[in-house]
Amino acid sequence: QKEVEQDPGPLSVPEGAIVSLNCTYSNSAFQYFMWYRQYSRKGPELLMYTYSSGNKEDGRFTAQVDKSSKYISLFIRDSQPSDSATYLCAMSQDSNYQLIWGAGTKLIIKP
Amino acid sequence: EADIYQTPRYLVIGTGKKITLECSQTMGHDKMYWYQQDPGMELHLIHYSYGVNSTEKGDLSSESTVSRIRTEHFPLTLESARPSHTSQYLCASSDAGSGANVLTFGAGSRLTVL
Repeated sequence: QKEVEQDPGPLSVPEGAIVSLNCTYSNSAFQYFMWYRQYSRKGPELLMYTYSSGNKEDGRFTAQVDKSSKYISLFIRDSQPSDSATYLCAMSQDSNYQLIWGAGTKLIIKP
Repeated sequence: EADIYQTPRYLVIGTGKKITLECSQTMGHDKMYWYQQDPGMELHLIHYSYGVNSTEKGDLSSESTVSRIRTEHFPLTLESARPSHTSQYLCASSDAGSGANVLTFGAGSRLTVL
């Protein structure tokens, strides 16, 4: 079983919809949770990260961590065609440990 | 604007050739990484370095080698390319002082071995 599970999609939604992207994990020692966005033929870029449990908001993006359920989510409000990309979750115990990655969810926002 | 540069972006090469994928960063980061990315799969760490003259193998077995002679430069070399090496190779760096170990990635080098 993989340490981090992420539905590969594709997830196709109409423009303006609220998008929910999720990852589950098995290692209860994970403390740092990150979301990266990767456009086609580009490298991943950090969207946001959270430490331990709770929510974090940045513009149209909200990251949630539920450590009791070992479940993290990324919400995108008022989705735009420019949000079409692959979204990767990653997590680690701390900076002394390597990141463990999900396989990525491909998101398509239809105009 | 990218602060981490990878060359070449695309490379098509025959079996048995030696190749070097270049990676340079201008952020002064101590930590650098090479990942392999295949469609629909998670990123796999193949090499990393925590500073000059420090290199380690990652989780994914790889026939490649790396060197870290300068802080800003972390090239990856394949002595004899094979079709199984066809993949996307991503270079990344991070600030050693960052608790979250946030990575900055290059645009990637897509290698095709015929």
